[in-house]
Amino acid sequence: AQRVTQPEKLLSVFKGAPVELKCNYSYSGSPELFWYVQYSRQRLQLLLRHISRESIKGFTADLNKGETSFHLKKPFAQEEDSAMYYCALRWNRDDKIIFGKGTRLHILP
Amino acid sequence: DAGVIQSPRHEVTEMGQEVTLRCKPISGHNSLFWYRQTMMRGLELLIYFNNNVPIDDSGMPEDRFSAKMPNASFSTLKIQPSEPRDSAVYFCASSLGATTQYFGPGTRLTVL
Repeated sequence: AQRVTQPEKLLSVFKGAPVELKCNYSYSGSPELFWYVQYSRQRLQLLLRHISRESIKGFTADLNKGETSFHLKKPFAQEEDSAMYYCALRWNRDDKIIFGKGTRLHILP
Repeated sequence: DAGVIQSPRHEVTEMGQEVTLRCKPISGHNSLFWYRQTMMRGLELLIYFNNNVPIDDSGMPEDRFSAKMPNASFSTLKIQPSEPRDSAVYFCASSLGATTQYFGPGTRLTVL
């Protein structure tokens, strides 16, 4: 069955330090991977998707099919990055996606 | 566009009562999703509709939960009877086919 695993429930990082939020998935085909973010008191929103190969707010994520991973990275953390981050997977060009349990990123001053 | 609209934003009810959550998707979107968010289980897909038809309800926890989409601009998620373990934030999201999902602000449900 398809599954998304985010091993860290909470990640605390000092401002200016690098950030890496881990995401692993289980799916044998060609998945579509996403990162969604939920800032305090705001809606859950799409941060980036692997097919776009873009950098949003300094974040990037590379799909590694060999390791079945889609880790989210940023070289220098900023206080405004504090939020809940969800990795998500879509398969078979279906409408629905499944989410990991989320990682709360806390940027320390 | 106001985005996905959900009501109420907060609901406090007593065990055994019926609860109805409402969602208005973004105009033109043809897929609608209901999610439940809890600390323990994260974000779970309960059910989703495509063109007003339920496609996958495998995430609906039990018969106490039901969802309807009578038209393209309105959906409800009903819990009857409610239980304390149903306390969570319930999100509605919509999309145009297999594209980006846009989420509503959520309804925080507390069942006493």
